[in-house]
Amino acid sequence: AQTIHQWPVAEIKAVGSPLSLGCTIKGKSSPNLYWYWQATGGTLQQLFYSITVGQVESVVQLNLSASRPKDDQFILSTEKLLLSHSGFYLCAWSGLGLNQDTQYFGPGTRLLVL
Amino acid sequence: GDQVEQSPSALSLHEGTGSALRCNFTTTMRAVQWFQQNSRGSLINLFYLASGTKENGRLKSTFNSKESYSTLHIRDAQLEDSGTYFCAAEDSNYQLIWGSGTKLIIKP
Repeated sequence: AQTIHQWPVAEIKAVGSPLSLGCTIKGKSSPNLYWYWQATGGTLQQLFYSITVGQVESVVQLNLSASRPKDDQFILSTEKLLLSHSGFYLCAWSGLGLNQDTQYFGPGTRLLVL
Repeated sequence: GDQVEQSPSALSLHEGTGSALRCNFTTTMRAVQWFQQNSRGSLINLFYLASGTKENGRLKSTFNSKESYSTLHIRDAQLEDSGTYFCAAEDSNYQLIWGSGTKLIIKP
């Protein structure tokens, strides 16, 4: 069975500080991977997707970047956090084609930027 | 305007009753997914539909691409059904467009 793990569970960070969020998927080879952001009480916004190692596409610009250093790992980061980065970050995976199959989500990381 | 219009934005049901959530699409969509987000924020995939109707326990979902809508029916609601429900539709460019969510509260 596939499992998806995100870390950390929650973070409180200062404006201007760096950030790195991680996501790993076990039990699925060559998954499509996604990063989402959700403002408190809001809907989900897809930030990045990756269909293979080393390739990441940006969907929306939020002064964030993403990387896929391994087949089962997806990293979201920034060198300088903004207040607007606060929210809930979710990683997801799917099989088959990009956005063309059921997406399975990780437990998420809550981020508060002060 | 928004390509995915989800309604209602909030809904309150008594245990044992049922209702329907709806997403209307302003463009042709290839498929739709429905998710439940619980109080911890976890997103659970309920259905993936490219067409037709699927049923799973007390939940049933329909996707009519020709008439540009999808519904999620809940029957015999239970307390654990509380949460926020989202539809997400796949457009012709394989972009996933999310609805704004329906906050569902189940009362004893």
